[in-house]
Amino acid sequence: QTVVTQEPSLTVSPGGTVTLTCASSAGAVSSVYHPSWFQQKPGQAPRALIYNANNIYSWTPARFSASLLGDKAALTLSGAQPEDEAEYYCLLWCGGAWVFGGGTKVTVL
Amino acid sequence: QVWLQESGPGLVRPSETLSLTCAVSGDSISSDYWWTWVRQPPGKGLEWIGEMFHRGTSNYNPSLKSRVSISVDKSRNQFSVNLNSVTAADTAVYYCAATSPSWQQLRYWGQGTLITVSS
Repeated sequence: QTVVTQEPSLTVSPGGTVTLTCASSAGAVSSVYHPSWFQQKPGQAPRALIYNANNIYSWTPARFSASLLGDKAALTLSGAQPEDEAEYYCLLWCGGAWVFGGGTKVTVL
Repeated sequence: QVWLQESGPGLVRPSETLSLTCAVSGDSISSDYWWTWVRQPPGKGLEWIGEMFHRGTSNYNPSLKSRVSISVDKSRNQFSVNLNSVTAADTAVYYCAATSPSWQQLRYWGQGTLITVSS
């Protein structure tokens, strides 16, 4: 089964920029993987942020953006706020099944 | 807008079958969503369990495929998951979720329900 890899943890200063990435053991992540991104805060259900690589929802703060960066999917947070401290998960379509990455713990400090 | 609410037993004995239901409100279970289950062991990451389209097409996590089934109940506007032969490793918060058209993966989520496998 495909393994999806994310950075375990990242730290960003308030107002700073951080990029999270999402890689597949099966090869370069492309649009056919339909990457999506989710935010989860402690004790809460995950919340969808990004779908189909770079599309945002109406509730997604404008400081979040996403793209395909090299051979990975990427989520960029520009102008980090304290409320952005959370776990972030990517999700990829990998040959007949969806696979979550292990998650990235983002600390705003 | 779709609202989802999980319900289940809370505690399941090892080797038995875990059964959970997700009540759907705000739209019909026969609308074009993929109805999905996701779980999260305590302190760990998310694991996709599987999904079903209302017309019967389904996809499952290969590591769980031999033990899991998802079904849709149109008369009650709900969907369910059964996971058999459970062990302590199946202890997790179980979430139901819904994927909208245009690859809006897991756009809607339930609040989750903790299932503990223990004797």
